[in-house]
Amino acid sequence: AQSVTQLDSHVSVSEGTPVLLRCNYSSSYSPSLFWYVQHPNKGLQLLLKYTSAATLVKGINGFEAEFKKSETSFHLTKPSAHMSDAAEYFCVVTVLSGGSYIPTFGRGTSLIVHP
Amino acid sequence: DSGVTQTPKHLITATGQRVTLRCSPRSGDLSVYWYQQSLDQGLQFLIQYYNGEERAKGNILERFSAQQFPDLHSELNLSSLELGDSALYFCASSVGTDLSTDTQYFGPGTRLTVL
Repeated sequence: AQSVTQLDSHVSVSEGTPVLLRCNYSSSYSPSLFWYVQHPNKGLQLLLKYTSAATLVKGINGFEAEFKKSETSFHLTKPSAHMSDAAEYFCVVTVLSGGSYIPTFGRGTSLIVHP
Repeated sequence: DSGVTQTPKHLITATGQRVTLRCSPRSGDLSVYWYQQSLDQGLQFLIQYYNGEERAKGNILERFSAQQFPDLHSELNLSSLELGDSALYFCASSVGTDLSTDTQYFGPGTRLTVL
């Protein structure tokens, strides 16, 4: 069975400082991993995905994540936070099961950006 | 704008009632996914359809059912509604069925309130 744990329910940063959102996963098989962002009253938008190619994945809006198999982690980072980054972020693991891909979502991390 | 549309935006109904949520995927996408987002359970995958056929099932209750029509739009039917069914219901679409490579595009959601 696969699962995903987002280690922080809230992260608070100042504008212009680095962002780190942590995600650990467990999976019996080679997972595909994703980060999605959800702005208030909006649907989810894909930030980036890891699908067994390069372990350092670059996404939209300056975000990137590194897949570390030994640590079963897929943390999301950004060098400098912007006010517009304030949103809910979801880490997702998808594993092939019974011929179908079943996505499992983390509980989400709320990113708060202070001016 | 993701290109995925959902109607209605809001739905208020009473316990025991039945409702239908509608989703139109992006042009060219054959897969439709349904998700439930609630405070208790977080974001959960419910069901996936691909080109009219059920493809994968997640944590979908027996009181819930879905279908995908020949024009590829999908409907999620929720019956015998309970207070706990109050949630945001998202639809997403993708070109194919391989979530390790395909990108899902999410609609803005339907907020269901059961009184």
